Amino acid sequence: DAGVIQSPRHEVTEMGQEVTLRCKPISGHNSLFWYRQTMMRGLELLIYFNNNVPIDDSGMPEDRFSAKMPNASFSTLKIQPSEPRDSAVYFCASTSQGNSPLHFGNGTRLTVT
Amino acid sequence: GEDVEQSLFLSVREGDSSVINCTYTDSSSTYLYWYKQEPGAGLQLLTYIFSNMDMKQDQRLTVLLNKKDKHLSLRIADTQTGDSAIYFCAESTYNQGGKLIFGQGTELSVKP
Repeated sequence: DAGVIQSPRHEVTEMGQEVTLRCKPISGHNSLFWYRQTMMRGLELLIYFNNNVPIDDSGMPEDRFSAKMPNASFSTLKIQPSEPRDSAVYFCASTSQGNSPLHFGNGTRLTVT
Repeated sequence: GEDVEQSLFLSVREGDSSVINCTYTDSSSTYLYWYKQEPGAGLQLLTYIFSNMDMKQDQRLTVLLNKKDKHLSLRIADTQTGDSAIYFCAESTYNQGGKLIFGQGTELSVKP
């Protein structure tokens, strides 16, 4: 089992640029979550999908953030335009339906200058 | 809304026991989890407990749940330097589709 795979591991970009973060969940898992981790705010849930359908996006900070899950094995989180305050580690996690534990990827460390 | 609270830091000597505490507010919490995060890595699931249990033991780890007080603890016996990490408590509710609410994490420092 390869686990949850995120890419890239690190992303450095300039303010105003578009950023796309990618996630491949564990095969067979049908729930996918995007979290953001910062020193100030800890771990925040941004959005989650069940069976590729967005269920709760109330944590998405603003319209600059969007997420898609076109199929069961791929999801993207896009920030356009990016701002320095978006700098954080972004984690993707997946689980099978119900209350099975979340399995996390290693995260993407985003730095916006 | 739901809230999960943890103390921020804990320092112990190698070989001692560590106890990391967590409180939560959602009385309908179904599962409670402990995750470990090492520097530069993702969150690794350590253990979890169903809300109708009051204790779970797994090798050096003991989880205690006091549902009345909404208090969860993680005890690590014979703490080693490799246990130095940030430990997160999290809770989920059955009808929330697996969504976890995390505490802010407790940084455990183990001194030789």
